[in-house]
Amino acid sequence: DIVMTQTPLSSPVTLGQPASISCRSSQSLVHSDGNTYLSWLQQRPGQPPRLLIYKISNRFSGVPDRFSGSGAGTDFTLKISRVEAEDVGVYYCMQATQFPRTFGQGTRLEIK
Amino acid sequence: QITLKESGPTLVKPTQTLTLTCTFSGFSLSTSGVGVAWIRQPPGKALEWLTLIYWNDDKRYSPSLKSRLTITKDTSKNQVVLTMTNMDPVDTATYYCARTRWLQAAFDYWGQGTLVTVSS
Repeated sequence: DIVMTQTPLSSPVTLGQPASISCRSSQSLVHSDGNTYLSWLQQRPGQPPRLLIYKISNRFSGVPDRFSGSGAGTDFTLKISRVEAEDVGVYYCMQATQFPRTFGQGTRLEIK
Repeated sequence: QITLKESGPTLVKPTQTLTLTCTFSGFSLSTSGVGVAWIRQPPGKALEWLTLIYWNDDKRYSPSLKSRLTITKDTSKNQVVLTMTNMDPVDTATYYCARTRWLQAAFDYWGQGTLVTVSS
């Protein structure tokens, strides 16, 4: 199985300031078709997960442009340019290059 | 509008079999490239992928749970059913179903989830 490791596990951020979450995979996520199937999800308190980013850097429909994804191979980053109160929650990276699909352990974003 | 909703028992006894149904609308599981997955989340813990079924009836399972899981679809009813045998208290979790599409390979729409507690 591909192991997904996120850092940090907790991130206190001031409103209006940027935030960054890293995700590292135990092996390359480049698929044989040339795509890299790394996505980011947000889970607000008491809510189901919500897709933010797919294939490294593609924002899903309705996702604010303050969210951006980058990376390649085994190292990926989710950035929030200016954190808002509604961004509080847990963020997960997930790989869909291989089965079984695997998630990171989650990063809790909280407001200072 | 795409929606998914999980249904089934909220409480099962150890060793029993759990059957959950995902009823969806706004898309069809007969459309090429579409799939529906089950993912679970124990209280306070991370997400764990369980299984996935595609439009062409291709099925994939978590290797660690494969012997206990069965996923089926009823395209006419817009439903996907998960069966998990020999339930244990460690299987207590919120169970989600979610849609995926071949080209994205991400879970783009999720149900609200259903909390299943395993206890005698």
